Amino acid sequence: GAGVSQSPRYKVAKRGQDVALRCDPISGHVSLFWYQQALGQGPEFLTYFQNEAQLDKSGLPSDRFFAERPEGSVSTLKIQRTQQEDSAVYLCASSPIHGTYYGYTFGSGTRLTVV
Amino acid sequence: GENVEQHPSTLSVQEGDSAVIKCTYSDSASNYFPWYKQELGKGPQLIIDIRSNVGEKKDQRIAVTLNKTAKHFSLHITETQPEDSAVYFCAASDSNAGGTSYGKLTFGQGTILTVHP
Repeated sequence: GAGVSQSPRYKVAKRGQDVALRCDPISGHVSLFWYQQALGQGPEFLTYFQNEAQLDKSGLPSDRFFAERPEGSVSTLKIQRTQQEDSAVYLCASSPIHGTYYGYTFGSGTRLTVV
Repeated sequence: GENVEQHPSTLSVQEGDSAVIKCTYSDSASNYFPWYKQELGKGPQLIIDIRSNVGEKKDQRIAVTLNKTAKHFSLHITETQPEDSAVYFCAASDSNAGGTSYGKLTFGQGTILTVHP
């Protein structure tokens, strides 16, 4: 597609529920990032994929957070047993290059509200 | 790890005036500094970036300056227009993340820019 697509755009989950957030990067993009953006804050790094390999997951806040990109294209961020502090916008971004610095393209995000 | 501080948190200007947003960073190894514009309900959009081998870059009404010695970089918007109203984020790359160089970014806290007609 023309841009990074994320779904759903909005998700309301009851505390304790599991959720799955999907990211469709730009076709052919090697690098894929997930960021978490709390209300009124800048995005914070969660995890990075180069193709299907998860090279950095140092930003995942707990073992309830899990991300995958099994075929090197679509990625899913899964949050188990959601808690209120998980409420945020989850942003996905992709880039055609690995190993150099380029401004990558963000999707519009999934706004997760845990009630 | 990298820490990026951004000021001011809000900025209000009249149409046609200039706007300046400033950021400082902590990691002297950082060498890539992008600026993003985020409109309500949308993801951040790259508007300009600068690498450490240059001190200034300009693109029409937007310019960025970098002072590596002071670990300081700034966004300058001239002849502001109401459509410039948005949240602006600076960011820096953490090139020491486990020895990888894949473009992981640390963002500032954001500046809400309002341009009054």
